[in-house]
Amino acid sequence: QVHLQESGPGLVKPSETLSLTCTVSGGAVSSGSYYWSWIRQSPGKGLEWIANIYFSGSTNYTNYNPSFKSQVTISVDKSKNHFSLKLSSVTAADTAVYFCARGDYDVLTAYYYPPDYWGQGTLVTVSS
Amino acid sequence: DIQMTQSPSSLSASVGDRVTITCRASQNINKYLNWYEQKQGKAPKVLIYAASSLQSGVSSRFSGSGSGTDFTLTISSLQPEDFATYYCQQSYRTPWTFGQGTKVEIK
Repeated sequence: QVHLQESGPGLVKPSETLSLTCTVSGGAVSSGSYYWSWIRQSPGKGLEWIANIYFSGSTNYTNYNPSFKSQVTISVDKSKNHFSLKLSSVTAADTAVYFCARGDYDVLTAYYYPPDYWGQGTLVTVSS
Repeated sequence: DIQMTQSPSSLSASVGDRVTITCRASQNINKYLNWYEQKQGKAPKVLIYAASSLQSGVSSRFSGSGSGTDFTLTISSLQPEDFATYYCQQSYRTPWTFGQGTKVEIK
């Protein structure tokens, strides 16, 4: 049974870096059959896709939402079987529930199936 | 970015009703359209992928149709557990984008 669990501070100060981790059980983050995502939800902007990462061989491939410009980094730690999100220079607008998720990736067709396993979500508030 | 517009934003319906939600993309997205259901305090759950394919384990009362820019999610006979918010999402091009949601409430 696949399970994803977000963890990280619930309160971050403006201009600081938001760091979240998604711990995966029931599957390997290094599997080339899946991609791993961060998605957030706020009352003001609704659901917002942040980034994906997947592996092909020994290479990892990332896709980022350009709205975040160079603020965001997604990474994987195979030894800990988790993946992470870092969002720098946060403002109050980054206050949201952050979800991690997993979806199937078809290498042959380069098709991303929608994420079918999600964490429960973690609320991050940006405030001084 | 591709804009996704859902209508209506909310609707009231009774158990047993047929419910239709529409989603329009700001440009052609072929059939790269997914539908999700979200209940209060929970993560979204995928219902339909590739516009019309039913996700494994999802009730057959849910169906999707459309291609290009116009898409529809239909619930053939609304059940008590279907009162939730529904979102469309395009995966044709990054950044993936979601509709603003349609809240289905009890009449």
